[in-house]
Amino acid sequence: QKEVEQNSGPLSVPEGAIASLNCTYSDRGSQSFFWYRQYSGKSPELIMSIYSNGDKEDGRFTAQLNKASQYVSLLIRDSQPSDSATYLCAVKAGGYQKVTFGTGTKLQVIP
Amino acid sequence: DAGVIQSPRHEVTEMGQEVTLRCKPISGHDYLFWYRQTMMRGLELLIYFNNNVPIDDSGMPEDRFSAKMPNASFSTLKIQPSEPRDSAVYFCASKIGLEVGAQHFGDGTRLSIL
Repeated sequence: QKEVEQNSGPLSVPEGAIASLNCTYSDRGSQSFFWYRQYSGKSPELIMSIYSNGDKEDGRFTAQLNKASQYVSLLIRDSQPSDSATYLCAVKAGGYQKVTFGTGTKLQVIP
Repeated sequence: DAGVIQSPRHEVTEMGQEVTLRCKPISGHDYLFWYRQTMMRGLELLIYFNNNVPIDDSGMPEDRFSAKMPNASFSTLKIQPSEPRDSAVYFCASKIGLEVGAQHFGDGTRLSIL
């Protein structure tokens, strides 16, 4: 079992719809969870961090965490073509700085 | 402010050659990370430094890989000898302080070993 699992996609949604991206992780001791966005041919950039169960909202983005189910998700409301990218889920376990990344979900927003 | 600077952006070389990738972190950042990204394995941490000291190199695939950080403004990742399976995009990232996720990535080096 991979430490951090994501559906590779592509996930296609129409412009204006809600895109829902999901991620599961295997280490119950994981403490911190992140979503990175990576445009094709570019480097990853951090868009959301979440540390406790529940929802965290930032503009059109909402991160959701359920530690009991070992599940983290990212919702993008009012999806725009500029949101088309690969979204990487990342998880930190333990007291060090190591973050484990999933292989990413490719999102396509159709105009 | 300048971001993380990596060089070269692209490298094509033949199997068996030595490859050196370079990284200049953001000034003042005390952590530096080297990652490798492939389609199959995604983004993998190879090694990271704190205040120029290697902290965790458990992701370095084998002895052919080595990394150094001689000072706060420069790091290298060396592969010797290189093999076709080393072909990937190599990213350097840096950050300041204990906030784990706030890593700033460079543009990456696309490495092709023929």
